[in-house]
Amino acid sequence: GQNIDQPTEMTATEGAIVQINCTYQTSGFNGLFWYQQHAGEAPTFLSYNVLDGLEEKGRFSSFLSRSKGYSYLLLKELQMKDSASYLCAAMDSNYQLIWGAGTKLIIKP
Amino acid sequence: SAVISQKPSRDICQRGTSLTIQCQVDSQVTMMFWYRQQPGQSLTLIATANQGSEATYESGFVIDKFPISRPNLTFSTLTVSNMSPEDSSIYLCSAGKAGSDSGELFFGEGSRLTVL
Repeated sequence: GQNIDQPTEMTATEGAIVQINCTYQTSGFNGLFWYQQHAGEAPTFLSYNVLDGLEEKGRFSSFLSRSKGYSYLLLKELQMKDSASYLCAAMDSNYQLIWGAGTKLIIKP
Repeated sequence: SAVISQKPSRDICQRGTSLTIQCQVDSQVTMMFWYRQQPGQSLTLIATANQGSEATYESGFVIDKFPISRPNLTFSTLTVSNMSPEDSSIYLCSAGKAGSDSGELFFGEGSRLTVL
């Protein structure tokens, strides 16, 4: 079956760094997505990885290892506004997105 | 990017009634999807809305319960029929643009439905 695993909740301190991990099992693979969703709002796109390695975009970076079925989202210089849920999603061979349940990130002062 | 407008943003409905949610995209998109999301839960794909033809439903979702229309490239509706309290959820419209290498999806703000 197809499955996405990510931690349910994480807590970090303002100004620190946090890494949110995601493991996936899909029928075929066409990329790994990270979305941010603030409470009561729509998900917004953060990153897309289809090749192994690290993609950096400002304070946010995303890593992919296809052989391990593993990705992480790295958030640096955490700000209070980064408190949100972070959704990991893998695209299978049919170009369908398989969504994780999301990781709720709590930032403390 | 694409801006997606959904309405209603929220509604409270009586058991047995039906509600239609509208989704309008500000630019032409190839793909439109309808998702359901329980608070704190993952996104569950209901169906892919196909322009001018019947939607493609995921396992566990049927056309009689969730009829979908997509008359053109920028507009779609989802109807939740004969509602029960189990249908209380957030319904999200999503769209992807043609030719997007990243496969990025854009989401509407969601329609929060409460069935009494």
